[in-house]
Amino acid sequence: EPEVTQTPSHQVTQMGQEVILRCVPISNHLYFYWYRQILGQKVEFLVSFYNNEISEKSEIFDDQFSVERPDGSNFTLKIRSTKLEDSAMYFCASSDLVVEFFGPGTRLTVL
Amino acid sequence: AQSVTQLGSHVSVSEGALVLLRCNYSSSVPPYLFWYVQYPNQGLQLLLKYTTGATLVKGINGFEAEFKKSETSFHLTKPSAHMSDAAEYFCAVSEGTGGFKTIFGAGTRLFVKA
Repeated sequence: EPEVTQTPSHQVTQMGQEVILRCVPISNHLYFYWYRQILGQKVEFLVSFYNNEISEKSEIFDDQFSVERPDGSNFTLKIRSTKLEDSAMYFCASSDLVVEFFGPGTRLTVL
Repeated sequence: AQSVTQLGSHVSVSEGALVLLRCNYSSSVPPYLFWYVQYPNQGLQLLLKYTTGATLVKGINGFEAEFKKSETSFHLTKPSAHMSDAAEYFCAVSEGTGGFKTIFGAGTRLFVKA
């Protein structure tokens, strides 16, 4: 069964450093998303991406965040200068016309 | 704007007992509704979804949910709890598919007692 994959599973970084979280969506999906879940809290929408551009973003998705689909398979989330409060689980998702499929997540720890 | 309210951050049931996790939503358009389960340190797994059609939706692991438009509810049930059902459950709403974001509730942690 096709699935969304994410790498790395756990990333530890120093405050102020740049991180790139990687996702491989399901191959025939056209819509891609990033969500985050701060420990103990609910899952929050960050951004959606379609046809090589952002279709919607939340208030959380400020200038320090960016997304890219650098090739035909990967979908990345970049955080330019990480803050302590960026520590969270980041989920990538991709969608056909029925439902979103979520990846297993990347746990980002900012020290 | 859409929103989801899950009543009860923690629910505890005995093994074999009925599981009822409550979810109410707010949406200005006909909603698409979902229940996801999250086991510790794992990702989100779709339990079931309602898009259109039959209002009683059956999902995996014996769970089902009923869409009640008049009550704006989408409660999750399972007739008999199993120890392996212990997890966090998230109700979610979307305006549709194909590009519409999903709004999640705060989650309900289900505990199952032996």
